[in-house]
Amino acid sequence: DAGVTQSPTHLIKTRGQHVTLRCSPISGHKSVSWYQQVLGQGPQFIFQYYEKEERGRGNFPDRFSARQFPNYSSELNVNALLLGDSALYLCASSLQRESSDEQFFGPGTRLTVL
Amino acid sequence: KQEVTQIPAALSVPEGENLVLNCSFTDSAIYNLQWFRQDPGKGLTSLLLIQSSQREQTSGRLNASLDKSSGRSTLYIAASQPGDSATYLCAAEFTSGGGADGLTFGKGTHLIIQP
Repeated sequence: DAGVTQSPTHLIKTRGQHVTLRCSPISGHKSVSWYQQVLGQGPQFIFQYYEKEERGRGNFPDRFSARQFPNYSSELNVNALLLGDSALYLCASSLQRESSDEQFFGPGTRLTVL
Repeated sequence: KQEVTQIPAALSVPEGENLVLNCSFTDSAIYNLQWFRQDPGKGLTSLLLIQSSQREQTSGRLNASLDKSSGRSTLYIAASQPGDSATYLCAAEFTSGGGADGLTFGKGTHLIIQP
């Protein structure tokens, strides 16, 4: 079975632009979470979606938004990009969010903002 | 604010040695603790998940323990190999968020195994 997939692999944008990142969870997984990892740090939680509903949100500005589709794939959108948004964006999927499940991560999207 | 801390930040050992990576967390009320491996520029690979009711988990040469009362977890790697070189991250899911706060990560331990 395929693991969590993310696209694109790499992305270069300029300040002020917007970006859309995509994630497909492991087949059968209904929960998707997004994390931001800047160089030298651990990942920081951005969003969690379960059954197309937002279940949790980390301490990120409103420029960050996400959604989950009926097939459980997800998009992360970032508007008005800042230099500080340059990071590795990681998507994780888990079976469900009614209990504490193991999270499986994708390879990430490397975003560079110039 | 819940935090996860990993010590040491970096570790270099000769091949074949057994080693221990440490993780501490500020709140004992957790759902679980998960250990990950990250190779440079790559995503995270899940190594072991310990539920709050468990004391340890084992997978091959890896053993992870959990002591909630002291807020500590350790990852033991036996007979280390150069292929074990990577950054190891621990992450806790705290119950205060009701399961909606995601994982809280440490900054990781950068491990180098010298051939």
